[in-house]
Amino acid sequence: EIVLTQSPGTLSLSPGERATLSCRASQSVSNTNLAWYQQKPGQAPRLLIYGASSRATGIPDRFSGSGSGTDFTLTISRLEPEDFAVYYCQQYGSSPPNLPFGGGTKVEI
Amino acid sequence: QVQLQESGPGLVKPSQTLSLTCTVSGGSISSGAYYWSWIRQHPGKGLEWLGYIHYTGSTYYNPSLKSRLTILVDTSKNQFSLRLSSVTAADTAVYYCARRTNQKNLDYWGQGSLVTVSS
Repeated sequence: EIVLTQSPGTLSLSPGERATLSCRASQSVSNTNLAWYQQKPGQAPRLLIYGASSRATGIPDRFSGSGSGTDFTLTISRLEPEDFAVYYCQQYGSSPPNLPFGGGTKVEI
Repeated sequence: QVQLQESGPGLVKPSQTLSLTCTVSGGSISSGAYYWSWIRQHPGKGLEWLGYIHYTGSTYYNPSLKSRLTILVDTSKNQFSLRLSSVTAADTAVYYCARRTNQKNLDYWGQGSLVTVSS
């Protein structure tokens, strides 16, 4: 079973700064199945990044994803006020099929 | 634009069965490319995948809930549903339905439905 560990738990930054969020898998995983989501209070999660580095429809280019194997990164190049939220990574496990999530990183002002 | 909407009771008594339905609009649930998923979020906590179903009826469940969980699909109504039996207070959560793509991500989500387990 794949376990995803996100760090840090909380990231305190200011608008305009760069945010770097980490997601580490307990075993090597496929890049094609690594996704990132953004969740704001009272809202459903929103898909940001899929395939480790592809932006979902309508996602600004200040969001970028990278990584391979066990280490993946979500980078927000310049934080906008609306980017302060919780971010989750998610992978696909095949034996048996499952969709584990990381514990989340809160990006706060 | 695909939309998903959860519906069902907001309050369930302990030991009873929690039942929720997700209605899909703007697209067919019978598209072979997708699996229709349930995810929950305990208050103030992270996301937990519960399971998903293909329109053919193939299901995959979180092993930790498999003994209590049933996911069904009704293609005639473009709906899928979740049934969680023998609930306790630990099952109090916001329940989301979502669409899983071929790339194993969740691209469309419902707004979520808060279910409280309490007598």
